[in-house]
Amino acid sequence: QSALTQPPSASGSPGQSVTISCTGTSSDVGDYNYVSWYQQHPGKAPKLMIYEVSKRPSGVPGRFSGSKSGNTASLTVSGLQAEDEADYYCSSYAGSNVYVFGTGTKVTVL
Amino acid sequence: QLQLQESGPGLVKPSETLSLSCTVSGGSISSSSYYWGWIRQPPGKGLEWIGSIYHTGSTYYNPSLKSRVTMSVDTSKNLFFLKLRSVTAADTAVYYCARVAYCGGDCRWFDPWGQGTLVTVSS
Repeated sequence: QSALTQPPSASGSPGQSVTISCTGTSSDVGDYNYVSWYQQHPGKAPKLMIYEVSKRPSGVPGRFSGSKSGNTASLTVSGLQAEDEADYYCSSYAGSNVYVFGTGTKVTVL
Repeated sequence: QLQLQESGPGLVKPSETLSLSCTVSGGSISSSSYYWGWIRQPPGKGLEWIGSIYHTGSTYYNPSLKSRVTMSVDTSKNLFFLKLRSVTAADTAVYYCARVAYCGGDCRWFDPWGQGTLVTVSS
């Protein structure tokens, strides 16, 4: 399976919102509501931010939200803060216990 | 709190086998609600799912790596393993282990992750 497509970069000023897209196919993103999003700071392990398209794990700020339409999922970070500057990866279940990750997006807080 | 820790050689020669283990602490690897997975990240690049294993030994691999990958589990020691054969420089990456939420098929995500271990393939 091919990696999900994300924009290489996104940016916004503190307090603004940024939305990252994650485009797959009808065999992964489009077929399952099992899209998750991960935040990765330099030199650190990825951290789960969103699961099942739009659910937030305990401890993840409410300014992180997720959605999906067709074969494209999105992560929105509202009220950007300096600590939100990181790489973000989406992931989707693709059936038969197979998973695929996105290409990654570097979010810069201006 | 569940924690995962990868361990293994940091340097592997080309054509040889990369072998890593992941120790699970703070929870049982035999839980019916989870699989256990390996994900890698080449330097400066994105994440790639390698495969997942259930405590029963059932395995699922990335089709692009399937011919070279073997995963196994030791439930008595709360450990699971990764072997990647015939490595090349392209296999140089940080290798992460992670818990894969399963819930009998009703959930699918990776959390938590180990800190990762860099494996370099070089002679």
